Amino acid sequence: AQSVTQLDSQVPVFEEAPVELRCNYSSSVSVYLFWYVQYPNQGLQLLLKYLSGSTLVKGINGFEAEFNKSQTSFHLRKPSVHISDTAEYFCAVSPLRDDKIIFGKGTRLHILP
Amino acid sequence: DGGITQSPKYLFRKEGQNVTLSCEQNLNHDAMYWYRQDPGQGLRLIYYSQIVNDFQKGDIAEGYSVSREKKESFPLTVTSAQKNPTAFYLCASSMGRRVGETQYFGPGTRLLVL
Repeated sequence: AQSVTQLDSQVPVFEEAPVELRCNYSSSVSVYLFWYVQYPNQGLQLLLKYLSGSTLVKGINGFEAEFNKSQTSFHLRKPSVHISDTAEYFCAVSPLRDDKIIFGKGTRLHILP
Repeated sequence: DGGITQSPKYLFRKEGQNVTLSCEQNLNHDAMYWYRQDPGQGLRLIYYSQIVNDFQKGDIAEGYSVSREKKESFPLTVTSAQKNPTAFYLCASSMGRRVGETQYFGPGTRLLVL
């Protein structure tokens, strides 16, 4: 079975400051890794995903994430946040050869002026 | 424009009533999914379908039913057996090739109990 832990339920950060949203996962098999973003009262959209290859993955809106197999982590980072980044962010895993995705409980990013 | 549509945006249910949430996609995707979202709980899988006329239970299927008669459509019925239906319901689809594909989400339906 797989599980995803997002260590922070809420993260406040000042505008133009850097941010890191933490994600750890547990799995007995190899997995694909995802970050999705949800703006208020909307569906989710993909920020980035790791399938294979380079462990540093770049996504939309200036976000990037690094896959660390030894620490089973996939933390999301942005060097300078904007007020428009206010949203909830979900880390997720999908076992190889499976279409199902297991989501973490989400981290709310609050941008302070 | 290709995408996923969900209707209605808000839905009210009375005690003992079954209600059906609509999900339609024009992305030509084989796989479709229904999730339930509660505050602080993330997304939990209700049902999923990888091909027409076939579907599987997810983690919280009790009190829900689905059908997949057409590739484009995957309606979800919340039955009277679901005792706590108030939540935000999200439909998603993917190509279904089991290689780490992106799931594309609809805008969601918020279900409230009267």
